[in-house]
Amino acid sequence: DAGVIQSPRHEVTEMGQEVTLRCKPISGHDYLFWYRQTMMRGLELLIYFNNNVPIDDSGMPEDRFSAKMPNASFSTLKIQPSEPRDSAVYFCASSLAGGPETQYFGPGTRLLVL
Amino acid sequence: DAKTTQPPSMDCAEGRAANLPCNHSTISGNEYVYWYRQIHSQGPQYIIHGLKNNETNEMASLIITEDRKSSTLILPHATLRDTAVYYCIVRPMRGGADGLTFGKGTHLIIQP
Repeated sequence: DAGVIQSPRHEVTEMGQEVTLRCKPISGHDYLFWYRQTMMRGLELLIYFNNNVPIDDSGMPEDRFSAKMPNASFSTLKIQPSEPRDSAVYFCASSLAGGPETQYFGPGTRLLVL
Repeated sequence: DAKTTQPPSMDCAEGRAANLPCNHSTISGNEYVYWYRQIHSQGPQYIIHGLKNNETNEMASLIITEDRKSSTLILPHATLRDTAVYYCIVRPMRGGADGLTFGKGTHLIIQP
């Protein structure tokens, strides 16, 4: 298995632009998580899905952020409009059972908003 | 979730055992100790977890003190590939899906 795949690996954009991050989970995993990591705040859970349905989005910072999972093999995290404070590494993780010890992380997308 | 304290950095010689400490003096009876690591430019990786008994798996051993106020992660024969930031967190095993949250961790550097 190729593991969790994220694209792009790096993204540089200007403030106000729309950013779309993509994730392909491990085949057969029912849970998908989006995280954000910064030096200041560490790793934070943004949202997670179970069987393509959003279960907990309480970590999504504001309305500028949205996430979708149209099918079991694809998810997107969109920021519109982007701001410099959104600069971070965004990780996607997938899991069979959902528990923290069973989550497999992708390599992350490093986002820089100028 | 209880707070943890870890040294910001540690060095260890390749081939030796790396012992990473973690203090969690306010841990509750239903909270487990989890360890993860993050190699540079990669996502976090689960290592091991335990409640009160010592645990061992193919990656590491976890030693939890009798009063559960501290623990030590042991990498028995450290290699250069073990250079990473190691995170200790304590949290209840809630069942079902649950997100991770961790802060600074210990930057372990394995020296050749």
